[in-house]
Amino acid sequence: ILNVEQSPQSLHVQEGDSTNFTCSFPSSNFYALHWYRWETAKSPEALFVMTLNGDEKKKGRISATLNTKEGYSYLYIKGSQPEDSATYLCALPLFESGYSTLTFGKGTMLLVSP
Amino acid sequence: DGGITQSPKYLFRKEGQNVTLSCEQNLNHDAMYWYRQDPGQGLRLIYYSQIVNDFQKGDIAEGYSVSREKKESFPLTVTSAQKNPTAFYLCASLNDAGAVTEAFFGQGTRLTVV
Repeated sequence: ILNVEQSPQSLHVQEGDSTNFTCSFPSSNFYALHWYRWETAKSPEALFVMTLNGDEKKKGRISATLNTKEGYSYLYIKGSQPEDSATYLCALPLFESGYSTLTFGKGTMLLVSP
Repeated sequence: DGGITQSPKYLFRKEGQNVTLSCEQNLNHDAMYWYRQDPGQGLRLIYYSQIVNDFQKGDIAEGYSVSREKKESFPLTVTSAQKNPTAFYLCASLNDAGAVTEAFFGQGTRLTVV
């Protein structure tokens, strides 16, 4: 079983605040790391798929970094807006006996107040 | 538009009944997955399939069954043997069994035992 830890479990910020979350994982046998945003009553949507140590990706006000040697990824949101309120999920592929699955962390629930 | 369709959105089941949750995708993806979410928990893997007519048990397969007769379809049956079936069920698909491309998700089915 692959242990994927996310912190904090939840976060409440004011509009305009910048925030960041952490995803921690075993550094051995790393293949890729996924970040998803899951808004209430919608399907989870991919933000980033990261594969290389030191990788940095950006989409608008959201960015992510990856450190595969120490086993963590940070997701940053600059100038949070109410529409950023969602659960942010981190996932890693696990390979066993020729099959691959995605293992998810429990997520970070972000609430941005106007 | 390509995507994943889950039905129904809400499902009520009586004790002792089997119910089947539908998951259909038109993304031409090989890999499909079923996850379960309970309050305060992350997404847990029930079953997955990487090719037609082949599927594997995930971490919590007991009380569930699946079939993969067509590439587009991966229905999940919640049997009477599942002791605590009330949960949110999410279907996902991946183009790449190596999981270095993003996963796509349905909108989920909320199952309640009455």
